[in-house]
Amino acid sequence: DAKTTQPNSMESNEEEPVHLPCNHSTISGTDYIHWYRQLPSQGPEYVIHGLTSNVNNRMASLAIAEDRKSSTLILHRATLRDAAVYYCILKNYGGSQGNLIFGKGTKLSVKP
Amino acid sequence: DGGITQSPKYLFRKEGQNVTLSCEQNLNHDAMYWYRQDPGQGLRLIYYSQIVNDFQKGDIAEGYSVSREKKESFPLTVTSAQKNPTAFYLCASSRGTDRDLEPQHFGDGTRLSIL
Repeated sequence: DAKTTQPNSMESNEEEPVHLPCNHSTISGTDYIHWYRQLPSQGPEYVIHGLTSNVNNRMASLAIAEDRKSSTLILHRATLRDAAVYYCILKNYGGSQGNLIFGKGTKLSVKP
Repeated sequence: DGGITQSPKYLFRKEGQNVTLSCEQNLNHDAMYWYRQDPGQGLRLIYYSQIVNDFQKGDIAEGYSVSREKKESFPLTVTSAQKNPTAFYLCASSRGTDRDLEPQHFGDGTRLSIL
């Protein structure tokens, strides 16, 4: 699976939008971009995923660059409950093992 | 509500002792996974199972064993051969490894420490 690069940490103010970047310059044509987040002392939680087009769901939006070498997870209005480590993961469709390869992620802090 | 239950939340192991971590899911998922997380690090795959009575080693299987006798259960045993077992252990499930777009659902983990 291709590698992703994320900033170690980011800060945001409550009720402001947050843009979490992810670089994946070696992404292949069949790699999907997945985002998970992990709150303190809990298991990771699925946030969103996409292939080429931008995606929206109730939790967040995913903006994917035209060349697919980078993507951005967008939280439209950060709340204190959004403070977590956010992981950007590439998953190849049809991979036999099925597991997710987690890097260190971005630790998001939200200030009131 | 459907989900994954891991128990216990905290576990202590003595030297030379085997301990078993429980993972139960009621999501009717075929695939189940065990990950290990060390402080400040991402998750690493220990074992996974695509179907009952079948399981495969992940990247760091040495010192661990699993069984999959029932669809809903995937217990992990940390044996005395695992010399550095202190970590946060996470169990996950998904509909199946051949459906890679399916999100994985995680339990809330078991924190294992050495006495």
